[in-house]
Amino acid sequence: NAGVMQNPRHLVRRRGQEARLRCSPMKGHSHVYWYRQLPEEGLKFMVYLQKENIIDESGMPKERFSAEFPKEGPSILRIQQVVRGDSAAYFCASSPGSRSNQPQHFGDGTRLSIL
Amino acid sequence: GESVGLHLPTLSVQEGDNSIINCAYSNSASDYFIWYKQESGKGPQFIIDIRSNMDKRQGQRVTVLLNKTVKHLSLQIAATQPGDSAVYFCAELANSGYALNFGKGTSLLVTP
Repeated sequence: NAGVMQNPRHLVRRRGQEARLRCSPMKGHSHVYWYRQLPEEGLKFMVYLQKENIIDESGMPKERFSAEFPKEGPSILRIQQVVRGDSAAYFCASSPGSRSNQPQHFGDGTRLSIL
Repeated sequence: GESVGLHLPTLSVQEGDNSIINCAYSNSASDYFIWYKQESGKGPQFIIDIRSNMDKRQGQRVTVLLNKTVKHLSLQIAATQPGDSAVYFCAELANSGYALNFGKGTSLLVTP
């Protein structure tokens, strides 16, 4: 299966802990996007990365959230000192480029629950 | 500002009937639109896309119609099957050129 792979599928954290979400893009894709989805809502853009570069993080909270896409390995979305409001499904998408004729393909997400 | 919204939150159809899911957008500069299907516990699955220089595009059992005059998008599913039951989202490419703006979604329920 050459799709976008996210892990873990489910993650439970207590308030104040750190959450690390991983995303391996489709083979040949060098563009990664992270989105957050609250129950019964559409996805909201968080951050767009290319290999080793953050292109746009305007949708990501400035505090506690960070993202990276290293030269080797998966993209990581990191949430420090989690709070209840961080509970959501986090989806990663990838594309071979950013042009509009290259649709984003999504993974099955990580469901983050904060106790 | 930009917004994408759906007219109907839920839609129930009988197996074999055609389904139409509607979507309105407010950004007249939007030039690329995508329909996604999301099944429970899964990520959005690409169905079909359309660029603003087209008003209709067909796929396998699906057709997307774009009316730029009234900023309206629709997804038509022919001969709806139980496997089509899911939440359907329309999304537009934001002014950034890469971020997608999603609507809230329409839940499609196909009954036998």
